[in-house]
Amino acid sequence: NAGVTQTPKFQVLKTGQSMTLQCAQDMNHNSMYWYRQDPGMGLRLIYYSASEGTTDKGEVPNGYNVSRLNKREFSLRLESAAPSQTSVYFCASSETTGLYGYTFGSGTRLTVV
Amino acid sequence: EDKVVQSPLSLVVHEGDTVTLNCSYEVTNFRSLLWYKQEKKAPTFLFMLTSSGIEKKSGRLSSILDKKELSSILNITATQTGDSAIYLCAVGQGAQKLVFGQGTRLTINP
Repeated sequence: NAGVTQTPKFQVLKTGQSMTLQCAQDMNHNSMYWYRQDPGMGLRLIYYSASEGTTDKGEVPNGYNVSRLNKREFSLRLESAAPSQTSVYFCASSETTGLYGYTFGSGTRLTVV
Repeated sequence: EDKVVQSPLSLVVHEGDTVTLNCSYEVTNFRSLLWYKQEKKAPTFLFMLTSSGIEKKSGRLSSILDKKELSSILNITATQTGDSAIYLCAVGQGAQKLVFGQGTRLTINP
């Protein structure tokens, strides 16, 4: 059981570069999420997708875009990376209601220099 | 604004001690409160508490939800070095979203 798979695990970008973080889940979950985690701030929601074909902004969406490619895959794109986007990014998925919590991927540590 | 606040932010104890971690919340459309343990990588699920299940226990860990006080506690008894981690509290609201607290970094010294 792979669960939620994120790639890459580590990335260093220069300011202004772009990149896409990939996420795929094999649990047939309808809902998927992108969070960022910074020291002392817990996890903050960037974007989420309640179901295939829909996406919504979370708490900190500025500087990011997302694509729900199909039911399995939900990607996060940084068009022009900034040092403030240095963080650990987690993808997660849940069944429709989210009532039983999320399954998280192992995270991507991104550094923007 | 929806808010989940955990305390303390950091805690250092000796192996064998009992610890209590706190979580308070102010969110609209409360559905559930969840506790996660985060070691080196992704958070892993510990407990979920709802209006119909306000107390959970698993081994040395237990958690209680106080809906009147809008808070929850996570207790760990007879702590072990393997309990060292960040403990995250999250509140499920309305749709599918979880709002997370800042986390409590727990360190257990031998």
